[in-house]
Amino acid sequence: NAGVTQTPKFRVLKTGQSMTLLCAQDMNHEYMYWYRQDPGMGLRLIHYSVGEGTTAKGEVPDGYNVSRLKKQNFLLGLESAAPSQTSVYFCASRRTGSPERIGNTIYFGEGSWLTVV
Amino acid sequence: AQSVTQLDSQVPVFEEAPVELRCNYSSSVSVYLFWYVQYPNQGLQLLLKYLSGSTLVKGINGFEAEFNKSQTSFHLRKPSVHISDTAEYFCAVSEGAGGTSYGKLTFGQGTILTVHP
Repeated sequence: NAGVTQTPKFRVLKTGQSMTLLCAQDMNHEYMYWYRQDPGMGLRLIHYSVGEGTTAKGEVPDGYNVSRLKKQNFLLGLESAAPSQTSVYFCASRRTGSPERIGNTIYFGEGSWLTVV
Repeated sequence: AQSVTQLDSQVPVFEEAPVELRCNYSSSVSVYLFWYVQYPNQGLQLLLKYLSGSTLVKGINGFEAEFNKSQTSFHLRKPSVHISDTAEYFCAVSEGAGGTSYGKLTFGQGTILTVHP
């Protein structure tokens, strides 16, 4: 009963390094999302995917790339990390269709704390 | 596109006092509305949601919210708070019935509720 799992949970990067955050869900959800959370700014959508093999830009996509090669996984990549990418990253997933359907709610992971020095 | 404004960044209250956290939204289409709570260094937990029907929505931990379409508001209330309610609270909106936004959530900036003894 894992739900949405994010790895790693904590990471410190040097400026210019690259890394990938992995999001895995075991609920067979079509939609997956990556958000970043910064103080005073709430959560902002980075990228999202509406199905295997698809990705789309959200509100703050610059400096990030994503891939959805398998339905259960949604990867967020930082090619050249910058201090401005220090943040808490949340992955989420949900089924297609209306949230008015029973159980059709969005599930969040526990977050990944990333520091770029 | 939707936007959400949480009118107070910080709300200090004493234990057992009532509290209201204010949320206003902007949207050209119908919306679904949500409140999430985040305890320190943890992920997001859904408090309550408005999808349709009764405009007064009851959630977990004694919280409730009222959807006011004419004032485009979704304020969160609790009649008597506890120390354990100290957390950050986020209001969020997604496109309503018939929408094509793939369930994407737009979050407010967050309100830090601090309950003092």
